[in-house]
Amino acid sequence: EVQLVESGGGLVQPGGSLRLSCAASGFTFSIYAMHWVRQAPGKGLEYVSAISSNGGNTYYANSVKGRFTISRDNSKNTLYLQMGSLRAEDMAVYYCGSVVDSRPYWGQGTLVTVSS
Amino acid sequence: EIVLTQSPGTLSLSPGERATLSCRATQSVTGSSLAWYQQKPGQAPRLLIYGASSRATGIPDRFSGSGSGTDFTLTISRLEPEDFAVYYCQQYVSSPRTFGQGTKVEIK
Repeated sequence: EVQLVESGGGLVQPGGSLRLSCAASGFTFSIYAMHWVRQAPGKGLEYVSAISSNGGNTYYANSVKGRFTISRDNSKNTLYLQMGSLRAEDMAVYYCGSVVDSRPYWGQGTLVTVSS
Repeated sequence: EIVLTQSPGTLSLSPGERATLSCRATQSVTGSSLAWYQQKPGQAPRLLIYGASSRATGIPDRFSGSGSGTDFTLTISRLEPEDFAVYYCQQYVSSPRTFGQGTKVEIK
């Protein structure tokens, strides 16, 4: 069974940093691209970042480019999102996901709160 | 970037009625790589449909998906009380894997 479990969310001050993790199991993590999306309170789903299976290619939404870094450790079956220069508008639930055998999977999310 | 536009923004219906939700793409979603999600307040999105028409495990057969190319539809044949929620479509054929803005199905 495919499982994705996010962690690392919490309260951070504006301008601060946070690293999110996503532990994957139930599939061959190293052969699939991985993704992060987020949902601000009361808003829709926003696609944030993606990374190819070997980590060689990445994508960032304009809203996070230059501030967030996506990475993965295929030996640990774990995806990361390093978030820096955090702003109030980055406050959201962050979900990691993948498409495995043509079916999308998403985790349950981790909440990032940006506030002083 | 493929932009997905969902309509209507809000659908006001009564339990037992049929709901028809639309998702239109600015480019062809090849391979029918289109998914539908249901989201209730405080919960993560729940996958309903993938591959445009395949129901995810455990999803009742009153939910059905159809369409291809640029036009897709989610139909709920007879609304149950637990179906009142927000529904999103998502394409996963190209990066970025964009979402529609959502359709809220509310009780009339």
